[in-house]
Amino acid sequence: QKEVEQDPGPLSVPEGAIVSLNCTYSNSAFQYFMWYRQYSRKGPELLMYTYSSGNKEDGRFTAQVDKSSKYISLFIRDSQPSDSATYLCAMSGIQGAQKLVFGQGTRLTINP
Amino acid sequence: KAGVTQTPRYLIKTRGQQVTLSCSPISGHRSVSWYQQTPGQGLQFLFEYFSETQRNKGNFPGRFSGRQFSNSRSEMNVSTLELGDSALYLCASSYTTGMETQYFGPGTRLLVL
Repeated sequence: QKEVEQDPGPLSVPEGAIVSLNCTYSNSAFQYFMWYRQYSRKGPELLMYTYSSGNKEDGRFTAQVDKSSKYISLFIRDSQPSDSATYLCAMSGIQGAQKLVFGQGTRLTINP
Repeated sequence: KAGVTQTPRYLIKTRGQQVTLSCSPISGHRSVSWYQQTPGQGLQFLFEYFSETQRNKGNFPGRFSGRQFSNSRSEMNVSTLELGDSALYLCASSYTTGMETQYFGPGTRLLVL
């Protein structure tokens, strides 16, 4: 079983919809949680970073971490065609924090 | 500020050969991490270098190695290439080691024939 599980999709929604992306994990030592966006033929770009449990909002993006359930989410409001990309969750522990463990990535398409 | 640069962007090799990939971090960043991305396994951590020392290592065979120079530039080497080494190799830099935001380069796409 992988340490981080993420539904690879693909996920297709109409423009303007609210998108919900999720990951579950098994390692209770994870303390740092991130969401990256990766466009085709590009490197991952950091979208959101959260430490421990709680919510964080940045513009149209909201990240949620529920450590008791080992579950993290990313919500995208008012989705745009430019949001079409692969979204990767990533996490790490305090020890060896530079070693990010990634989910498989969810391929998202926003249809105009 | 220029981003992370990786060279070459594309590479074709044959089984048994070796390959060296290069990464130049963002100016001022001293930590460089390497990741392998494949459709089957996703993104997997290879190793991290900070101040010319390997700080963390992932679960890859010894054929995968790296080094970091005094100017923080890093190289990774893969010897005795196998077909399964075909992947996108990504480099990420951060200001220091520990929990710092990592910025990724565009990657080097390696195809092993």
